[in-house]
Amino acid sequence: AQRVTQPEKLLSVFKGAPVELKCNYSYSGSPELFWYVQYSRQRLQLLLRHISRESIKGFTADLNKGETSFHLKKPFAQEEDSAMYYCALRGNTNAGKSTFGDGTTLTVKP
Amino acid sequence: DAGITQSPRHKVTETGTPVTLRCHQTENHRYMYWYRQDPGHGLRLIHYSYGVKDTDKGEVSDGYSVSRSKTEDFLLTLESATSSQTSVYFCAISESERGAQETQYFGPGTRLLVL
Repeated sequence: AQRVTQPEKLLSVFKGAPVELKCNYSYSGSPELFWYVQYSRQRLQLLLRHISRESIKGFTADLNKGETSFHLKKPFAQEEDSAMYYCALRGNTNAGKSTFGDGTTLTVKP
Repeated sequence: DAGITQSPRHKVTETGTPVTLRCHQTENHRYMYWYRQDPGHGLRLIHYSYGVKDTDKGEVSDGYSVSRSKTEDFLLTLESATSSQTSVYFCAISESERGAQETQYFGPGTRLLVL
């Protein structure tokens, strides 16, 4: 079975502060991990995926297989980063199905 | 935005009535998914399709059925709506099972209220 845990439902930081959204997963094989973001009144969209090792909008996430984590980080949060963030896992055996965490609502205060 | 639309965007219905939600894509992607989004539960997979007439259950499929008679359309049906099915429903598509194009693209969502 695959499982994704986002321990924080709500996270609030001030503009310019570092931010880290936590994601832990449980999966016996080699997972593919993603972060999706949903801005207010917009559809869910991909933010980044571990396989690409990219930085999008200043966010990065490193897959740590030892700690089974895929935390999302940004050194200096901006107000426009306020959104709902979902961590997702896609296993390598179940035909395209992804498991999502419960989401973390990030609020960046001015 | 990927070419995904959902209809209706909002629906209010009564307990016991049938409801069908439609997801339409213009990307010719093979995989299509239906999720529901609820506070405290995140996104949960209801059903998914890996091709025309090929569907399978997700983690919360009870009370829902789906059909995919054409590549571009994936229908979600609530045979007899219940208040517990009040939710926001998202459709998603992806091009392939694995590989660089496995990203899911989401529709705008349908808000369903069952009274």
